[in-house]
Amino acid sequence: QSVLTQSPSVSAAPGQKVTISCSGSTSNIENNYVSWYQQLPGTAPKLLIYDNNRRPSGIPDRFSGSKSGTSAALGITGLQTGDEGDYYCGTWDHSLSAWVFGGGTRLTVL
Amino acid sequence: QVQLVESGGGVVQPGRSLRLSCAVSGFSFSSFGMFWVRQAPGKGLEWVALISDDGSSKYYADSVKGRFAVSRDNSKNTLYLQMNRLRSDDTAVYFCARDSNALDVWGQGTTVTVSS
Repeated sequence: QSVLTQSPSVSAAPGQKVTISCSGSTSNIENNYVSWYQQLPGTAPKLLIYDNNRRPSGIPDRFSGSKSGTSAALGITGLQTGDEGDYYCGTWDHSLSAWVFGGGTRLTVL
Repeated sequence: QVQLVESGGGVVQPGRSLRLSCAVSGFSFSSFGMFWVRQAPGKGLEWVALISDDGSSKYYADSVKGRFAVSRDNSKNTLYLQMNRLRSDDTAVYFCARDSNALDVWGQGTTVTVSS
C-alpha cells in the first residue's frame, strides 16, 4: 500500500486531456514539493514535473502540474499514442524520513 | 552529457550479497545527493535509499533497513548499494538517480534476481 494514492488507470482518446491525481497527507504533499515521472514501456522513468508545477527543459507544455493541500495533479493535453505508459508522483515524507512514490497510474490512449 | 550507468546486477541465491555500482559523468557528482530506486517485475517504483552529497546523511526504506547500505566515492564519481541477506522480494530492476529535490536524471537500471 503506497503512502501516496493514485488511480490505477486512466484512458482517453488522442487529442483529449486527462488529469492524474495523487493524494497524500500533511507529512508529505502538503509540506513538500511534488514531482511527476513518466515511464514508457521498457524504459527508465523520466522527470516530467518538479517543484509542483515546473517543467524541465525539453518537456512540452502539454504537461502541467498543480498542488492543493494534500493533493497534487498532473494534466496532459493533446494526448498522443506516444504518451501511453505509467505515471508516478513522488515527494519527501518528513514523518517517515523517506521518499515516497504513488502506486502509479497507467495511461491508455485509445 | 549527464549520464548514470548502473552495473553489478545478476542472479544471486537467497541470503547472499551483491554490490551495485552507479558510475556518473557529465556533472559535479559531489554536489548532489543520490537515490536508489527499484522496480519489481510488473510493479511500481519503490524508493530504496538516499545519500547526501557528502555521504554524511543516509536514509533507507523500511524494507531494506539493516540489510542494504548506500555509499559513495566522490573521487571516483561512483555511487554504491551493498545488498546483504538478499530475499526473493528484492528481485527488481535497480535504478540510480540524481537528487535535485526531484529525481531529475536516471540511469537505465540493472537487474537483480534473487533465486535458488
